[in-house]
Amino acid sequence: KQEVTQIPAALSVPEGENLVLNCSFTDSAIYNLQWFRQDPGKGLTSLLLIQSSQREQTSGRLNASLDKSSGRSTLYIAASQPGDSATYLCARGGANNLFFGTGTRLTVIP
Amino acid sequence: DTEVTQTPKHLVMGMTNKKSLKCEQHMGHRAMYWYKQKAKKPPELMFVYSYEKLSINESVPSRFSPECPNSSLLNLHLHALQPEDSALYLCASSHTSGGGEQYFGPGTRLTVT
Repeated sequence: KQEVTQIPAALSVPEGENLVLNCSFTDSAIYNLQWFRQDPGKGLTSLLLIQSSQREQTSGRLNASLDKSSGRSTLYIAASQPGDSATYLCARGGANNLFFGTGTRLTVIP
Repeated sequence: DTEVTQTPKHLVMGMTNKKSLKCEQHMGHRAMYWYKQKAKKPPELMFVYSYEKLSINESVPSRFSPECPNSSLLNLHLHALQPEDSALYLCASSHTSGGGEQYFGPGTRLTVT
């Protein structure tokens, strides 16, 4: 079974803190690893895509890493802001599909 | 333009109704997807179209019928749905179906009464 797990399920931090979200997957046949943000009741916004040949990607305050050998990816958010509050989903890209994790619900407290 | 649009935003339908969800992209992508997302759960793949041909059907009941009229449009026809089909239906597209970055639309919130 292809499983993608995200820890923690929920996280609350004060504004300004740096934080790390974790994603682990069991299938090593990975094409890419994509991180998304989802606001309540809304669609998914793509944040970062790491191809299987890459180890990390950066966009502004976000940095995502990929370690295929250990089946792990992390999303690092620097200097968190209240506007970062959302659910963050990682997804392992297969040949024709995305296998999503269960998500981490992040709350940044002003 | 990296936008995927979906209409309607909200839909309420009875179990005997027939309705359709629409998805559109103008990025030149040749792979389009339908996902279903229940509350507090991750999205689950329903269908994949590659070059306007259905390539994956994840054992979805026949009351859901996808259609890809052209490379920019993807429809999902709904008929005789059940209340448990109420969910957020997400459309996505990618350059090709071979593991490319997927771009998602805002979704259609479907309620079946």
